[in-house]
Formats: sequence, C-alpha cells, structure tokens
Amino acid sequence: NAGVTQTPKFRVLKTGQSMTLLCAQDMNHEYMYWYRQDPGMGLRLIHYSVGEGTTAKGEVPDGYNVSRLKKQNFLLGLESAAPSQTSVYFCASRRQGGSYGYTFGSGTRLTVV
Amino acid sequence: GENVEQHPSTLSVQEGDSAVIKCTYSDSASNYFPWYKQELGKGPQLIIDIRSNVGEKKDQRIAVTLNKTAKHFSLHITETQPEDSAVYFCAASIGQAGTALIFGKGTTLSVSS
Repeated sequence: NAGVTQTPKFRVLKTGQSMTLLCAQDMNHEYMYWYRQDPGMGLRLIHYSVGEGTTAKGEVPDGYNVSRLKKQNFLLGLESAAPSQTSVYFCASRRQGGSYGYTFGSGTRLTVV
Repeated sequence: GENVEQHPSTLSVQEGDSAVIKCTYSDSASNYFPWYKQELGKGPQLIIDIRSNVGEKKDQRIAVTLNKTAKHFSLHITETQPEDSAVYFCAASIGQAGTALIFGKGTTLSVSS
C-alpha cells in the first residue's frame, strides 16, 4: 500500500505560470483534502472533496481550483501563480464518517519566484 | 470563522520529563479532536484522537483530555524521549457532519538528553 502519493515533490514556478499538483490514494477513501503549511501558520484548508465529482471550499480557497474526476485522485490547480502561494502543500484522505483521522501525503514544496 | 488556538508554540523539556500542549476551539459543534506529529520533511501522522463523548484517552505514554464545556483539550506526553522531538498539531472537526479538520498552529517540542 502506497497510501497517499503527491506529485511532484518539489517545484519552482515563475509568477503567472500555472501548474497542477496531483494527489493519489489507494485506500478507497471517500474524502480528500488539500492543505497548505506556512511557517507559524499551521495547516490551512484550501479545498476538500467528499466524493467523486464533488468539491468544497476551505479556509483559504482563493487562487486555487480543484477537481475530483476519479475517486482516487484529487488535483489542485494554480492558474496564475503568485509569490504568496509559495508554501508546502499537503494532501490528505480519510474514510467516510465523522471520527476518522487523516492519512497525509509527504507534501509538495512549491516556490513561486 | 472557526479556529483552534494552540499553546505553547515551543516547548523544551529534559528527557524523562512530561510535556503538555493545550488547545481551545471555537465551534461548539466540533465532535472529533485528533493530534498529529510531524517530523522534519514529512507529512503529519495521527498519534491519538478523542471523540466528544469521551473525557480522556490513553495510549502508552500519550494521553488526551477533553473538556467540552470549556472547549478545551490537551495532549500529555509522559517520560519524554529524544525521538518525541517534533512539531505537534491539534485539530478539531468542523463543517457539516464534521467533514473537515481545522488545525492549530503547532507546537515545536524539543526533548534534550
């Protein structure tokens, strides 16, 4: 079992460029999430999905879009990258239900110059 | 919006001492409270969790307590070891049916031998 796999692990973008971060899980989890982690800010929820074809906004959704076309994949897109989006991005997934902890991926470190 | 406050931001203890990290939450509907440990360069890992109908839970050297009236929960680590050194995050469920988690800003625990 690979768990939650994030691609790529590192990326440097120029301001205004676009990119897509891929998250894949092999645990048949219904729910998937994207968080960003910045120094001193903890983990902040960007977008999440409770099932294939559904997405919802989190705490800091501006500048990001997401898609969940397949149950095992959750994509995070940046249409026009800004330096403020320099961060470490974590994907997580969990089973359906109210009391199950997340399984996190190992993160994508994104730098926008 | 909903938030989780976590204290202290840094904590230094001697090996063998106890460590306590405290969190408060704002959403009275929160019913699930996990704790995560994050080692350098890795994604957060679930170490213990507690549900709103339970006041205390223990797992070897780790315990969590919950006071729903005060909206307060704490992580207790006894007999600390150098390998306990990491960043610890508390979280609380939010949203419809507790779908997502919001996180505290983290506590950097350093255990010196």
